[in-house]
Amino acid sequence: DVKVTQSSRYLVKRTGEKVFLECVQDMDHENMFWYRQDPGLGLRLIYFSYDVKMKEKGDIPEGYSVSREKKERFSLILESASTNQTSMYLCATRAPGLWEQYFGPGTRLTVT
Amino acid sequence: TQLLEQSPQFLSIQEGENLTVYCNSSSVFSSLQWYRQEPGEGPVLLVTVVTGGEVKKLKRLTFQFGDARKDSSLHITAAQPGDTGLYLCAGKETSGSRLTFGEGTQLTVNP
Repeated sequence: DVKVTQSSRYLVKRTGEKVFLECVQDMDHENMFWYRQDPGLGLRLIYFSYDVKMKEKGDIPEGYSVSREKKERFSLILESASTNQTSMYLCATRAPGLWEQYFGPGTRLTVT
Repeated sequence: TQLLEQSPQFLSIQEGENLTVYCNSSSVFSSLQWYRQEPGEGPVLLVTVVTGGEVKKLKRLTFQFGDARKDSSLHITAAQPGDTGLYLCAGKETSGSRLTFGEGTQLTVNP
């Protein structure tokens, strides 16, 4: 079974702080994704990566950056957290040639 | 405008009832998945359908892909409280390179 873990389940940060969300997968998948999930808006893609050191912007990349130094780890960075970044953040991975995604448990981030 | 429209958005039923959730689009999809998400957790894959008209069953859950591959439905027979959760459909357009998610249907099954 694919296992995707996220560093924190709940996080509270202050406006202006730099925030790191970590995601680790154990299935050697090339593709990894970061989404945010908000009521009424569904899952929106922030960034994705199809290989080490490769990244692509998703639909809402503003205010975020990512890092993929190792295949198993994909980090989402909020350079200067703002209250409108309060959300549920979900990391996912996908096997090559398939479209099913495997999600981590999510990090509920609150920015005050 | 959502590429994938799910209906209803909310559904509250009694244990033992049957229900159907719909996922509709004007686009054609090469594959479509259904996920279930429980509170405080990430979505978990239930099924993938790839062929127009395909029907897949998972215990009391029946999934159907439309003949034209533009829509899908999820039918639950004799719902149980353990079926409570957010049901998400997600599809990969034939001309696209990403997975698109619907907004989800929040199902509550009351004992």
